[in-house]
Amino acid sequence: EVVLSQSPDFQSVTPKGKVTITCRASQSIGTSLHWYQKKPGQSPKLLIKYASQSFSGVPSRFSGSGSGTDFTLTINSLEAEDAATYYCHQSSGLPRTFGQGTKVEI
Amino acid sequence: QEQLVESGGGVIQPGRSLRLSCAASGFSFSSYGMHWVRQAPGKGLEWVAVISSDGSVKYHADAIRGQFTISRDNSKNTLFLQMNRLRPEDTAVYYCAKEGQIGGGFLDSWGQGTLVSVSS
Repeated sequence: EVVLSQSPDFQSVTPKGKVTITCRASQSIGTSLHWYQKKPGQSPKLLIKYASQSFSGVPSRFSGSGSGTDFTLTINSLEAEDAATYYCHQSSGLPRTFGQGTKVEI
Repeated sequence: QEQLVESGGGVIQPGRSLRLSCAASGFSFSSYGMHWVRQAPGKGLEWVAVISSDGSVKYHADAIRGQFTISRDNSKNTLFLQMNRLRPEDTAVYYCAKEGQIGGGFLDSWGQGTLVSVSS
């Protein structure tokens, strides 16, 4: 099973600030790593697919990078609506797994 | 547009069974693999199960293998999760999600979720 470890668990940022979230896989997964945003009472929303590809309709302030075992989600110029928990997710193998989540407070 | 609507959740006693449904519309349901993902109160997302587009291949998370079963009816554009011998730790919001491309990968459409509360 591929274990995904995110850091940090929590981050507090000021508006227009920048957030960097990392996701480390327990084994190499190529670029089969995706990022989701989850707000309370809402379903998860796909932000980034295959490590660095922006999903349709996602603001350009969200970007992803990485391959192998180390991945990063960057949010530039944060807006109030970006307050949420962010999860990485791997599709390299079964079982699929999620990181534990990173809560971003603004 | 693509839409997934879960139903079947509720309050149920430990040891009982429940079947969740996920009605799909706005896309070719029979072409895509489908997943169940759950989120317990105050916890993170937990992957539960996947089923291939034609229903021939299924995989369940270790935590629920032998207890839950994923299935689908492509003639009715509906995904199911049969949940048996429910335990309090199965309390969660259950989401169905669609694979974003044929053959696997990211999950691009999610339902609104259905709450299952296991309590005596």
